[in-house]
Amino acid sequence: GDSVTQTEGLVTLTEGLPVMLNCTYQSTYSPFLFWYVQHLNEAPKLLLKSFTDNKRPEHQGFHATLHKSSSSFHLQKSSAQLSDSALYYCALTNNRIFFGDGTQLVVKP
Amino acid sequence: EAGVTQSPRYAVLQEGQAVSFWCDPISGHDTLYWYQQPRDQGPQLLVYFRDEAVIDNSQLPSDRFSAVRPKGTNSTLKIQSAKQGDTATYLCASSPGTGGIQNTLYFGAGTRLSVL
Repeated sequence: GDSVTQTEGLVTLTEGLPVMLNCTYQSTYSPFLFWYVQHLNEAPKLLLKSFTDNKRPEHQGFHATLHKSSSSFHLQKSSAQLSDSALYYCALTNNRIFFGDGTQLVVKP
Repeated sequence: EAGVTQSPRYAVLQEGQAVSFWCDPISGHDTLYWYQQPRDQGPQLLVYFRDEAVIDNSQLPSDRFSAVRPKGTNSTLKIQSAKQGDTATYLCASSPGTGGIQNTLYFGAGTRLSVL
């Protein structure tokens, strides 16, 4: 069956350092991949999503590259900001949407 | 454009009590989802509708949970006899279609349920 794995439950880093949150997936078909972000006491909202033409999606300084060979869609940012502290969910979709368990990102001064 | 609206925001129950959650999706979105998000876990699909039809309710505990979307717009999720294990945030989401890139979900603020 389809599934998403986020290996890190918590990532803590210092402001200005690069961010990389891991996401791997299993799917019977070629799914679309998404990253959702959830700030404290807010609903999840879309951060970015994969494209069909292998373009690299970018939003708010974050980007992710879909690697079908390794079934990965890692989230990256070159320089973390304090406001990036949030819960990040990787998700895949065919007809249904499957979420990973999330990675809590804590950015410290 | 108005977002997804959910009510109530919070609910506190004793075990055995009933509760209903209400959701108003974004206008024009034909697909509506109900997710359960236990503390420290990702959203887990309970049921979803396309218009008024249930497409997938395989993860809905049918003995105590029910969901309807009678006119293909608003939806109600009901828990008949709550258990402590139902403690979670209940999220409603809508999307303009199913399949592929259109499956971007727009979430409501959620209802945080505590069952004592």
